[in-house]
Amino acid sequence: KAGVTQTPRYLIKTRGQQVTLSCSPISGHRSVSWYQQTPGQGLQFLFEYFSETQRNKGNFPGRFSGRQFSNSRSEMNVSTLELGDSALYLCASSSLTSGGTDTQYFGPGTRLTVL
Amino acid sequence: GQQVMQIPQYQHVQEGEDFTTYCNSSTTLSNIQWYKQRPGGHPVFLIQLVKSGEVKKQKRLTFQFGEAKKNSSLHITATQTTDVGTYFCAGKGGSYIPTFGRGTSLIVHP
Repeated sequence: KAGVTQTPRYLIKTRGQQVTLSCSPISGHRSVSWYQQTPGQGLQFLFEYFSETQRNKGNFPGRFSGRQFSNSRSEMNVSTLELGDSALYLCASSSLTSGGTDTQYFGPGTRLTVL
Repeated sequence: GQQVMQIPQYQHVQEGEDFTTYCNSSTTLSNIQWYKQRPGGHPVFLIQLVKSGEVKKQKRLTFQFGEAKKNSSLHITATQTTDVGTYFCAGKGGSYIPTFGRGTSLIVHP
């Protein structure tokens, strides 16, 4: 199976702009989660989508939003970019196994730089 | 909110030495997962622990979940240069939102 893909891999934006990141999960996986990774804060959970519905949300401002399509592909949007939004944005897809493990498979990430 | 503390932040070892990283949660966890991230890479799932006192082994790696389900550890026996990377724990509590530890970066000197 192909792994989780994220596009674009690198992005440079300026303050005030908005950005849309895309994630294609592993075929058959219906859950997609987004994370922000920075040297200062580590890995932080943004939100999780399952069957086109947001199931969980982390503690991020409303400028961060997402959605999931019927084919399980997901996008996240960040509006009014701030310098502090510079980070590696990781997408992870998962599928609950019969043993109850929701293994998360991470994509390579999108490196966002805000100037 | 739920916090997961992970120590140490960095660990330098000589190849062949053992390595241990510890995670402590401020709240009781329903499960804890461990991930490895190589430099420049993305986190890769290693294992999930669910039961109180659970111990699981993967070759040279031993994972433990505390009796109170608030702490966990990862122990690597006889480290190799291929073990280099950052090891993260991620705990899930009642909110089902995973909280990641800050990670322990393992540096193995040949």
